[in-house]
This record gives sequence, C-alpha cells and structure tokens, in this order.
Amino acid sequence: NAGVMQNPRHLVRRRGQEARLRCSPMKGHSHVYWYRQLPEEGLKFMVYLQKENIIDESGMPKERFSAEFPKEGPSILRIQQVVRGDSAAYFCASSPVQETEAFFGQGTRLTVV
Amino acid sequence: AQTVTQSQPEMSVQEAETVTLSCTYDTSESDYYLFWYKQPPSRQMILVIRQEAYKQQNATENRFSVNFQKAAKSFSLKISDSQLGDAAMYFCAYRRENFGNEKLTFGTGTRLTIIP
Repeated sequence: NAGVMQNPRHLVRRRGQEARLRCSPMKGHSHVYWYRQLPEEGLKFMVYLQKENIIDESGMPKERFSAEFPKEGPSILRIQQVVRGDSAAYFCASSPVQETEAFFGQGTRLTVV
Repeated sequence: AQTVTQSQPEMSVQEAETVTLSCTYDTSESDYYLFWYKQPPSRQMILVIRQEAYKQQNATENRFSVNFQKAAKSFSLKISDSQLGDAAMYFCAYRRENFGNEKLTFGTGTRLTIIP
C-alpha cells in the first residue's frame, strides 16, 4: 500500500502564474487535509475534504486559493496569481473514515520568483 | 480556539542521553488527542507517539514516552538513549475528538540536535 503521494516535490512559479499541487491519498482513504508550512514555522491547517465535498475550509485564504477532491483522481490545491508570500511547503494528509491518525505526504515546496 | 505552544525553539542532547521536549496546549474540550510528529530534513512528517486524553496512562513507544498532565494541559516528549537519527524538528499537535476526522493544530516546533 503506497503512502500519500504528492507531486510535484518542487514547483517554481513566477509571480502571477498558477500553481497546481496534487495529492493522491492512500488506498482506501476518503479524507484529505491540506496544510501549509512557512519557513521555520509549524504546519497550519488549510482545508479538509472528502470525496466531492469540502468539509472545512476555515484555514484557506479567501482569495486565489481553492481545493477539490473529485470522485476520481487526486485532490488538487490550486493557487491562482501566486505571490512571493505563497512560497512554502504544502503538505497533504489522508485518513480513512473514523480514524485518529492521518498519514502525511512528503510535501510540495512551492517557490515563487 | 485551540492553541499549541512549544516554548523551546531549539534543544540539543548528547548521544545516548535523555532529552525532554515541552508542549502545552489550550482547549475547552474534554475529549481530544495529542501527537508528537518528527520532521527530518527530508520533510516527511512521521508520527512518533499518540495520546488519547481519556487515558490516564502515559503513552510509550520504544525509546519515546510522554508525560501527559491533563489538568495542567501539558504534553512533554521524553527521548531516551538519544541517537543521531533522532535529529529533526519535533512538532506537538492537538486534534479534537469529533466522532470522525478532524484537523490537526500544530505547535511551532523544536529543533533537536544530537551531539555525537
């Protein structure tokens, strides 16, 4: 059973471009969480999704950020018109139903130049 | 809102010695989970140990153990017989019990250095 897969591992975007980060949860996991880690800081919750539903997006910036977890395929975190302040490591975690432990991917490091 | 505080940005310990990392949290909930995660330079978040708030017994995983003081809202991690591979960032995290899945709230981390 492969772990949580995130790609790309590294992503460089120019200011104003779009960034698309992908997360494939572990097999059998229907819950996905996205977290952002700024340099020298802890992880901050962004959004929690189940298949085709956003359950909690209280940590998502109001503009430019969106997330989806379609019925088929990976979860996508999309950042439009990126700015330098979006540079961070973005982590995805997944868990099965009614479980306490979430399993993390290795993260995508986004650099905005 | 729940908060998690790690007051030690950096710690160091001699190889084979014991070190304790501190964590305090604030919550009005009675049922929750607490975690310690390790993040080595590879960036992978690795679960070290987990504690259910309803359990009085402190969790133990091999060389890792916790001191859970519910009334004081304290959750420290003790690493015994420290090894070079223990060098990493360590994050304390809180999760509310909500009959299902819930987000994690993390502290700012403690960078642990192992001195050979």
